[in-house]
Amino acid sequence: AQRVTQPEKLLSVFKGAPVELKCNYSYSGSPELFWYVQYSRQRLQLLLRHISRESIKGFTADLNKGETSFHLKKPFAQEEDSAMYYCAPRAWGVSNSGGSNYKLTFGKGTLLTVNP
Amino acid sequence: NAGVTQTPKFQVLKTGQSMTLQCAQDMNHEYMSWYRQDPGMGLRLIHYSVGAGITDQGEVPNGYNVSRSTTEDFPLRLLSAAPSQTSVYFCASSYEGISGYTFGSGTRLTVV
Repeated sequence: AQRVTQPEKLLSVFKGAPVELKCNYSYSGSPELFWYVQYSRQRLQLLLRHISRESIKGFTADLNKGETSFHLKKPFAQEEDSAMYYCAPRAWGVSNSGGSNYKLTFGKGTLLTVNP
Repeated sequence: NAGVTQTPKFQVLKTGQSMTLQCAQDMNHEYMSWYRQDPGMGLRLIHYSVGAGITDQGEVPNGYNVSRSTTEDFPLRLLSAAPSQTSVYFCASSYEGISGYTFGSGTRLTVV
């Protein structure tokens, strides 16, 4: 079954400390992986996508196909990084109506708190 | 360019009432989706559409209907509201599903 797991519901670090938010997936084929972030009382925003290999707000994420992981990392956390983070695979699959298309699904999220 | 617009932002319903959550996007995106966000559950896909006239069910479609008569609009209908449908609902759109999704600001629904 296709599944995405974010093992930590809550993660608390101090400002300046490194942070790693874990994401593991179990998908057939080669899903595309995203990280979305939701700051307090705001809409979800795209943070990273694995195909672009970019660094946004100091965050990076490497797709490890062997371990089927896509962990999000930042070497020095800032207080403004406090937010809910969602790992989201997008995979091509057969729909309920029999067609094939992309579907974006989300992990349960990790609430990151960066303490001063 | 307004992006994805959801209305209303807040709504309280009584059990058994019906209502429609509106979602509109002005980016000419083909893909549109509805998610509900519940504590500890993340975002769960309710229904999605890959183009005008085409809709399909997600993970938790029961109790909800959708239609896609135009590219711009993707309303979500609650036929007979139940307390279990108390949640925050997000609409999202994407260009042919190959780019990152743009989300609306959400509708906080309470069913009493």
